[in-house]
Amino acid sequence: TQLLEQSPQFLSIQEGENLTVYCNSSSVFSSLQWYRQEPGEGPVLLVTVVTGGEVKKLKRLTFQFGDARKDSSLHITAAQTGDTGLYLCAGAGEDYKLSFGAGTTVTVRA
Amino acid sequence: GAGVSQSPSNKVTEKGKDVELRCDPISGHTALYWYRQSLGQGLEFLIYFQGNSAPDKSGLPSDRFSAERTGGSVSTLTIQRTQQEDSAVYLCASSLVGGYTQYFGPGTRLTVL
Repeated sequence: TQLLEQSPQFLSIQEGENLTVYCNSSSVFSSLQWYRQEPGEGPVLLVTVVTGGEVKKLKRLTFQFGDARKDSSLHITAAQTGDTGLYLCAGAGEDYKLSFGAGTTVTVRA
Repeated sequence: GAGVSQSPSNKVTEKGKDVELRCDPISGHTALYWYRQSLGQGLEFLIYFQGNSAPDKSGLPSDRFSAERTGGSVSTLTIQRTQQEDSAVYLCASSLVGGYTQYFGPGTRLTVL
């Protein structure tokens, strides 16, 4: 059983459309991270959210941390083909360990 | 290079053989982590090294798995008597200290026939 549940598992959209990926847990995390992983490479950190209710924007990407610090969402506006990849959320407890979700595979079609 | 490197990038082995996977962390990073990524699964924590402290081995799935970190730098993950269920991508990450941002290597894809 995954500590963090991501949905949807797969997402295929047309370039220019918007998309949202969700990350949910019954556990409280001190912080939550989002990564993107491309084939043959390791995950690359996109953002870390720390405060409940926090919203962070990185260009076309908007990340939100739930008020109770149990869930998060990633919203991409006007998706581009370069956004294609596996998106992973990871929650950090009070120690150094990260608990990862299973990931959402996003495909943006030209 | 400036990033985390891993070797080999791909490893195909026969069931029952031993394999060694290598990780070169970013220079100066005291924390090193090993994860396993299976198809359709998230990253599974295996082991964590922090400086000269005893490693946290709580994620190792069986006693066939072991890891060393020599001189606080390079790490080797060893899997003895490999089984087909060991097939996965093994990822290494390092961070300045434990709890800081982890930087991942490209992984080693292990296939056990």
